[in-house]
Amino acid sequence: NAGVTQTPKFQVLKTGQSMTLQCAQDMNHEYMSWYRQDPGMGLRLIHYSVGAGITDQGEVPNGYNVSRSTTEDFPLRLLSAAPSQTSVYFCASSYRTGDNEQFFGPGTRLTVL
Amino acid sequence: SQELEQSPQSLIVQEGKNLTINCTSSKTLYGLYWYKQKYGEGLIFLMMLQKGGEEKSHEKITAKLDEKKQQSSLHITASQPSHAGIYLCGADNTGGFKTIFGAGTRLFVKA
Repeated sequence: NAGVTQTPKFQVLKTGQSMTLQCAQDMNHEYMSWYRQDPGMGLRLIHYSVGAGITDQGEVPNGYNVSRSTTEDFPLRLLSAAPSQTSVYFCASSYRTGDNEQFFGPGTRLTVL
Repeated sequence: SQELEQSPQSLIVQEGKNLTINCTSSKTLYGLYWYKQKYGEGLIFLMMLQKGGEEKSHEKITAKLDEKKQQSSLHITASQPSHAGIYLCGADNTGGFKTIFGAGTRLFVKA
C-alpha cells in the first residue's frame, strides 16, 4: 500500500494563478479531507468528503473547490491563488466517517507570490 | 465553537528526561486524539481516548483523559531524540465529520 499520496511536494504560484493539488489513497477509505497548516494555528479543515460524489465545507473553504468522483482521489483546486493561501496542505483519509485514526499524506508546501 | 489549547507551545528537554504536554478543550470532549508530526512530514496517529479517566500507553508515551473530559495530557518517559517533533491533539467537532486540532507543541530533545 502506498497509503495517502500527494503531489506536488512543493509549488510556487503567482497571485491569480490556479492549480490543483492532487491527493490519492489506495486503502478504500470512505472519508477524505484537506487541511492547511499555518504557523501557530495547527491544522484547519478546508473541505471533506464522506464518500464518492459527496463533499462538504470545513472551517476555511473560501477560495478552494473539491470534487470526489472516485473513492481513491480527492483533488483540491485553488481557483485564483492569493498570498493568504501560502501554507502547507495536508490530505488525510480514514476508513469510515467518524473514525478519527486518520492517515495523512506527506503534504504540499505552497507559496503564492 | 470548540477550541483546543495546547501547552506548552514548545519544549526543549535533555535526553532521558520526562515531559508532559497538555491539551485543554473549551467543551466536553467526546473523542480526543493525539498525533505526532515529524518536522516537514505528515501526521502519524498515536492514540485515541474517549472515556473519562481513560489512559493509554504506547511504548514510552502515555495519554490520559481527565474525568470531566475537558483536558488530556501526553506524558513521555525517558525522552529520546526520536521523540522530537510536533505533537497535536485533535477532537471531534460535529458527529465525527470534522476534526479540530490544537496549535501543536514543538518538542526538541537534546542528546
